[in-house]
Amino acid sequence: AQSVTQPDIHITVSEGASLELRCNYSYGATPYLFWYVQSPGQGLQLLLKYFSGDTLVQGIKGFEAEFKRSQSSFNLRKPSVHWSDAAEYFCAVGAGNNNDMRFGAGTRLTVKP
Amino acid sequence: EPEVTQTPSHQVTQMGQEVILRCVPISNHLYFYWYRQILGQKVEFLVSFYNNEISEKSEIFDDQFSVERPDGSNFTLKIRSTKLEDSAMYFCASSVSGFGANVLTFGAGSRLTVL
Repeated sequence: AQSVTQPDIHITVSEGASLELRCNYSYGATPYLFWYVQSPGQGLQLLLKYFSGDTLVQGIKGFEAEFKRSQSSFNLRKPSVHWSDAAEYFCAVGAGNNNDMRFGAGTRLTVKP
Repeated sequence: EPEVTQTPSHQVTQMGQEVILRCVPISNHLYFYWYRQILGQKVEFLVSFYNNEISEKSEIFDDQFSVERPDGSNFTLKIRSTKLEDSAMYFCASSVSGFGANVLTFGAGSRLTVL
C-alpha cells in the first residue's frame, strides 16, 4: 500500500518569509498526491492536488507544490507566508487501485510576527 | 460552495456506550468515507462506502464499527461499545469518483471523547 512521510513535525517561520514543507511518498506506480490544511478546530481543506501532467501545481492561498518522481517527493511551497497560514498541513497519497487515501503525520506551521 | 456536514461537533460518552456520528455528504457525490485523527497523530483511514456497501476498510475498522446510509442523505458511523482509545476526531468525507484520483471533501469533524 502507499504511504507518506512528512519529516518535519513542526516548522516556525517569520511572516513574509518563504516556506517549504516536505513530503515523501512510497508507491510503486504514479501516485495521486494532495496537500490538505487543517486550521485549529476546522476540517481538512484541499490546497492542491497532482494527478498527472505539469509537475508544478498551483493551489489556493498562494501555495504551490512540485512533484519530483526521482525523489518521490511532493513538497509544498509558498513564497511569502502570512500569519493566517498558521495551521497543520497534511500531505496525502492516493493509489489507482483503492479508495484508501493515506495521510502523513502532518507538519504544524507556526508563523512569527 | 457545497460542503460536508457533520453532527455532533463534539460528543462526550461513557466507556461501553454506543455512539452514532452523522454526516451529510455533498449531494452529487457517490463515495463516502470515514477517517479518524487521534489527538496529535495522523489522519487514519477507516472505511469507504459506495453503492450502499463497504468498498474498503482498514484494520482499525473492526466489528465494533459499522456504517450505514439509512436514507438518501445521511451517512452514519456507529461505534457499538466505545473504548477509551476511540477518543478522536472523526472526519467524514465524500467524493464524486472513487479510487486514487478522487478528490475528497471533508467535513469539519466530530470530536468524540470517551470517559
